[in-house]
Amino acid sequence: GDSVTQMEGPVTLSEEAFLTINCTYTATGYPSLFWYVQYPGEGLQLLLKATKADDKGSNKGFEATYRKETTSFHLEKGSVQVSDSAVYFCALSGAGGYNKLIFGAGTRLAVHP
Amino acid sequence: NAGVTQTPKFQVLKTGQSMTLQCAQDMNHEYMSWYRQDPGMGLRLIHYSVGAGITDQGEVPNGYNVSRSTTEDFPLRLLSAAPSQTSVYFCASRRSAESYNEQFFGPGTRLTVL
Repeated sequence: GDSVTQMEGPVTLSEEAFLTINCTYTATGYPSLFWYVQYPGEGLQLLLKATKADDKGSNKGFEATYRKETTSFHLEKGSVQVSDSAVYFCALSGAGGYNKLIFGAGTRLAVHP
Repeated sequence: NAGVTQTPKFQVLKTGQSMTLQCAQDMNHEYMSWYRQDPGMGLRLIHYSVGAGITDQGEVPNGYNVSRSTTEDFPLRLLSAAPSQTSVYFCASRRSAESYNEQFFGPGTRLTVL
């Protein structure tokens, strides 16, 4: 079945470092891809999305490009801040009938001053 | 708009008790779903609904029931709570089943089963 695999955390970085969180997917069709973020004690909120191959989603300095040839959707940010500390989830929609949203296991990011 | 609301925020149950987690949305969304979040496992889909009167099972439906009598509400019922159901539960909604639609999440219910 459809699935999402993302790199294990935690990822620990110093402020202003470059961030990459890897995400790969398996899907039978042409899914939409998402990154959601969860700040401590809160629900998930959409960070960015891409709905077709070669699309680039971007928001708040984060970017991810939908790569069909490598089935990947890696999250990047050029200079992280302490306020970016959170859990990041890669997800795909298009799984089976009614396009269920399937999540990866999540990657915890900790940014230190 | 309040978005997606969930009650209660915290709950402690004893094994065998039943309860209902409430979820409501005021965005007139067709599609609603319930997830549970466990450490290291991401979010797993329990049940979902594509409109009033229509529900279906997700990845981990055992021990849970749902119904959708109105567009706004999508309660999740635990029939006989077990310690394995200790988790954080999130309700979510989106405009329709189209894959590109953003899903909006509630703040979660933290459930402990003793």
